[in-house]
Amino acid sequence: AQSVTQLDSQVPVFEEAPVELRCNYSSSVSVYLFWYVQYPNQGLQLLLKYLSGSTLVKGINGFEAEFNKSQTSFHLRKPSVHISDTAEYFCAVSEGGNTGKLIFGQGTTLQVKP
Amino acid sequence: AAGVIQSPRHLIKEKRETATLKCYPIPRHDTVYWYQQGPGQDPQFLISFYEKMQSDKGSIPDRFSAQQFSDYHSELNMSSLELGDSALYFCASSLTGKETQYFGPGTRLLVL
Repeated sequence: AQSVTQLDSQVPVFEEAPVELRCNYSSSVSVYLFWYVQYPNQGLQLLLKYLSGSTLVKGINGFEAEFNKSQTSFHLRKPSVHISDTAEYFCAVSEGGNTGKLIFGQGTTLQVKP
Repeated sequence: AAGVIQSPRHLIKEKRETATLKCYPIPRHDTVYWYQQGPGQDPQFLISFYEKMQSDKGSIPDRFSAQQFSDYHSELNMSSLELGDSALYFCASSLTGKETQYFGPGTRLLVL
């Protein structure tokens, strides 16, 4: 069975500082990996995804993530955060196909301070 | 670009009542997923449909049922509502062969 672990429940950081949100997964088969962002009282917005190919993927709003198969990780990074990045971030895994449900991690709250 | 539409956006019900949530996928998307997000929790997969057939089932209570119609929209029917059903219900859609799911804004259900 698949599972996703987000290692930090909350990450406080000052504006313009770099940030890394950690995500580890477990699966017995090849997976697809995603990061979604949820702003307060809003839905889930896709930040970026890894399906195949280059292990470094770039997403919206200056975020990027690196897929590391040997460490089963998919950490999210941004070199310089803004106040507007304050939100809940979810890492998710899917086996793909027509039954490709998403398994989410517990979420990481990114708190950007001025 | 058109997004996933969910209705209603907010719903208040009493215990033991029924509720119907609707989801309209992105045009040409043929797969629909339903997720439940409790307060302060991560979204949990409930059920999915592909080409109007149930394709996968997660932790969906027997009191809930869902279906996908010929126009690909989907409805989640919830009966004998309990206080613990209060949550944000998301619908997501995708296109066959494409792995990315796009989420709607959610329906916030409050059971009193």
